[in-house]
Amino acid sequence: GAVVSQHPSRVICKSGTSVKIECRSLDFQATTMFWYRQFPKQSLMLMATSNEGSKATYEQGVEKDKFLINHASLTLSTLTVTSAHPEDSSFYICSARAGTGGLYGYTFGSGTRLTVV
Amino acid sequence: GDSVTQMEGPVTLSEEAFLTINCTYTATGYPSLFWYVQYPGEGLQLLLKATKADDKGSNKGFEATYRKETTSFHLEKGSVQVSDSAVYFCALAKGYSGAGSYQLTFGKGTKLSVIP
Repeated sequence: GAVVSQHPSRVICKSGTSVKIECRSLDFQATTMFWYRQFPKQSLMLMATSNEGSKATYEQGVEKDKFLINHASLTLSTLTVTSAHPEDSSFYICSARAGTGGLYGYTFGSGTRLTVV
Repeated sequence: GDSVTQMEGPVTLSEEAFLTINCTYTATGYPSLFWYVQYPGEGLQLLLKATKADDKGSNKGFEATYRKETTSFHLEKGSVQVSDSAVYFCALAKGYSGAGSYQLTFGKGTKLSVIP
């Protein structure tokens, strides 16, 4: 079946630094990838939708300049948290989807636990 | 806006017990409904789905029926196993985002622990 690899699974960084999270579709081409954020005991909140070769569409309230998303190929999307602060500490999870139109299955990565100290 | 409400966890059951995890939704139109499961250390996996009213999704002994009149999609299993221990997310998808996909709206998740 479709597999999405997300890396790293855990990362600790200092305030002010940037962190890059990778999301790869291993056995299919992902025309669309999604980035979610999950706070403790909260639901997954969609941050942005990215399509290969075009700019990401950010949800309301998500800072584009802080959460940089690049979807340069059909198998790779990256989320870079720039100038990270402790409040950015969270669980980030990506999802990839092949094809356009219809309810194709969404495949999720295993998530990245970011801790900013 | 659209929202999904599912029962607070954690839920702890003995093996072979009956499981119900309640899920209700708020949405205009006709959403599709999903249950996802997240095993420890893994990503979310689609467990089952239903795309229209009265549809029943089923997989691995789990079932959920799309009830439009009660806006519910409760997850049930007749006899849980230790291997069912995971976090379960109810979700809905509606509309066409214009980006080639449907957007998912998730509930907060319910952690299930099954003890021998």
